[in-house]
Amino acid sequence: AQSVTQPDIHITVSEGASLELRCNYSYGATPYLFWYVQSPGQGLQLLLKYFSGDTLVQGIKGFEAEFKRSQSSFNLRKPSVHWSDAAEYFCAVGRGSQGNLIFGKGTKLSVKP
Amino acid sequence: DAGVIQSPRHEVTEMGQEVTLRCKPISGHDYLFWYRQTMMRGLELLIYFNNNVPIDDSGMPEDRFSAKMPNASFSTLKIQPSEPRDSAVYFCASSFGFTGELFFGEGSRLTVL
Repeated sequence: AQSVTQPDIHITVSEGASLELRCNYSYGATPYLFWYVQSPGQGLQLLLKYFSGDTLVQGIKGFEAEFKRSQSSFNLRKPSVHWSDAAEYFCAVGRGSQGNLIFGKGTKLSVKP
Repeated sequence: DAGVIQSPRHEVTEMGQEVTLRCKPISGHDYLFWYRQTMMRGLELLIYFNNNVPIDDSGMPEDRFSAKMPNASFSTLKIQPSEPRDSAVYFCASSFGFTGELFFGEGSRLTVL
C-alpha cells in the first residue's frame, strides 16, 4: 500500500540555522512527490514538487528537496531558517493517473529566536 | 483569483444535527477534493471529483457523509446525522488537471458537541 512517513513530529531550530525535514515514501511506481506547508489556521500551500528529471528541486521561500530513489526519500531542506518558517510541513506522494495525494502526518517546525 | 472559498469557517453543532459544508473552487479548475484533518489521523482524502463527477469516494467514512458537485463552481459536503467523532477541520482543494498542485481553502472547523 502507498504510504508516506515523516519520522519527526516536532522539530525546533534556531533562527539562522539550517533545516532538514525527513520524508520516506512507499510507492509501487515512480511517484510524484510534494511538500506542502500549513500555517496556523490556514490551508496547505505547495512549496515544491518532483515529477521527473533533476532530483534536486527548488521551491518557494528558499526551500529545496532532494529525491533519492535508493532511499525512498524526499527530504526538505533550507540553509537558513527564518522565524516566519514556523509552520507545519507535509510531505505527499501521488501519481498523475490516480488523481489524489497521500499525505504524511506532518512535521511541526518551531523556530527559536 | 479569489482562491478556494469555504464556508462556514467555524461550525459548532449538537450531535444528531445535519451539517453542510460548502466550497467554491478556483474558476477553471476541473478537480475538486475534500479532505479531513484531525490530530489522530492527519489529513485524509474523503472524496474527489473530476469535471463535477465523483471519481473516488472510498475515503468517505460512512453513509452519514455525502458530497455533491452540482456544477463546476460549487460543492457541498453533508454530514447527517453528525457525531462528536466528526469534529475536525474539513478542507476543500481544487486543481487544474492532475498535477498534484492543489489549492486549498482555509478550512471549515467543525465541532460536534
